[in-house]
Amino acid sequence: DTEVTQTPKHLVMGMTNKKSLKCEQHMGHRAMYWYKQKAKKPPELMFVYSYEKLSINESVPSRFSPECPNSSLLNLHLHALQPEDSALYLCASSQDLVEVAGPTDTQYFGPGTRLTVL
Amino acid sequence: AQKITQTQPGMFVQEKEAVTLDCTYDTSDPSYGLFWYKQPSSGEMIFLIYQGSYDQQNATEGRYSLNFQKARKSANLVISASQLGDSAMYFCAMREGFYSSASKIIFGSGTRLSIRP
Repeated sequence: DTEVTQTPKHLVMGMTNKKSLKCEQHMGHRAMYWYKQKAKKPPELMFVYSYEKLSINESVPSRFSPECPNSSLLNLHLHALQPEDSALYLCASSQDLVEVAGPTDTQYFGPGTRLTVL
Repeated sequence: AQKITQTQPGMFVQEKEAVTLDCTYDTSDPSYGLFWYKQPSSGEMIFLIYQGSYDQQNATEGRYSLNFQKARKSANLVISASQLGDSAMYFCAMREGFYSSASKIIFGSGTRLSIRP
């Protein structure tokens, strides 16, 4: 089973709202990722969690706040977003951030949340 | 300089024909991994195939195979007997920097494949 679930599928929010995106995996993966993807562009990495600790923050504005409550869950808290933050937000997981190349590096993605900021 | 280059923004292929999607990469790391993902219009990124830099043989997964030419730094995806459901955006990606926990996947710009009936 290589399933990563994300909720909600669609989200419309105003610039003053606070909302959260949720991601869950039950594959025993220890690395989880948030990506942002604009139309017709590749995904852009936002955050990486390894063993529930924030490992990479790609200089993401503080209006995006990630949280990893446990090894299966990853949240992205949204506050005071701008219209240009409208995008597809993808979550992914992989077995581990290993030191030697191997197929366990494969990231499995969820279906994404389409976010619209008005 | 771009790390992953996909030179075909869009391709049209007749159903049942084979198709090759090009990907070249640039890295000085001896240890790296190469991936191909498919993204239909629904948005989900679907993992297709993986090739490690130390793998001696080209990776294959069903109708997908990866033509790995290490000296030329190319990792082309070959889809045999294309189907209408293969119409999607395809991304080539690379993971390098395996000697730290801060490594990440870099994506190419993608190729939009359209299969004609």
